[in-house]
Amino acid sequence: SQQGEEDPQALSIQEGENATMNCSYKTSINNLQWYRQNSGRGLVHLILIRSNEREKHSGRLRVTLDTSKKSSSLLITASRAADTASYFCATENNQGGKLIFGQGTELSVKP
Amino acid sequence: DSGVTQTPKHLITATGQRVTLRCSPRSGDLSVYWYQQSLDQGLQFLIHYYNGEERAKGNILERFSAQQFPDLHSELNLSSLELGDSALYFCASSVGDIQYFGAGTRLSVL
Repeated sequence: SQQGEEDPQALSIQEGENATMNCSYKTSINNLQWYRQNSGRGLVHLILIRSNEREKHSGRLRVTLDTSKKSSSLLITASRAADTASYFCATENNQGGKLIFGQGTELSVKP
Repeated sequence: DSGVTQTPKHLITATGQRVTLRCSPRSGDLSVYWYQQSLDQGLQFLIHYYNGEERAKGNILERFSAQQFPDLHSELNLSSLELGDSALYFCASSVGDIQYFGAGTRLSVL
């Protein structure tokens, strides 16, 4: 079964707007990662945040982690049409590196 | 390009058949993971190998098996295929916490 729930399931915005996706998970984790998938292709790693971190930035990406609420959010600022993709959160616990994925958020950025 | 190579890209077969999916990890990565992505189950972890040894198993069916060879490439064998096995199968390799995914094999069971 999936570890994470993502919300919203789908998000449609205009270019230049910010996009926020949320992820909740169930068990304790070592880290939480965000991946991007373009139209049924391979997943691309975006950013990793460890359980002892609260916020992390990478370019236009900002990730927060609240371990007390077992939730994370991914913010993409100044979105571009090329950001159109599905975004997945994935958690890693202490069971040997396997990733448990959420159901994903489908982001559509309209030019 | 992640550096992880999966072959074939597409596979169409019939129920009851057996197929083998192949994965070559990034140079130097000792860990290989297999995942299945389907519309109803989402992305599910199947199995993890490290330097030839099985390290963790997920919801992998008994009809499925995997191995990692001395040159570190891995194969996922799917047998007695059913319609519900139609999915995208990904492998990923890692050194450390970040996993690098291949482009996947799309399996269609007719």
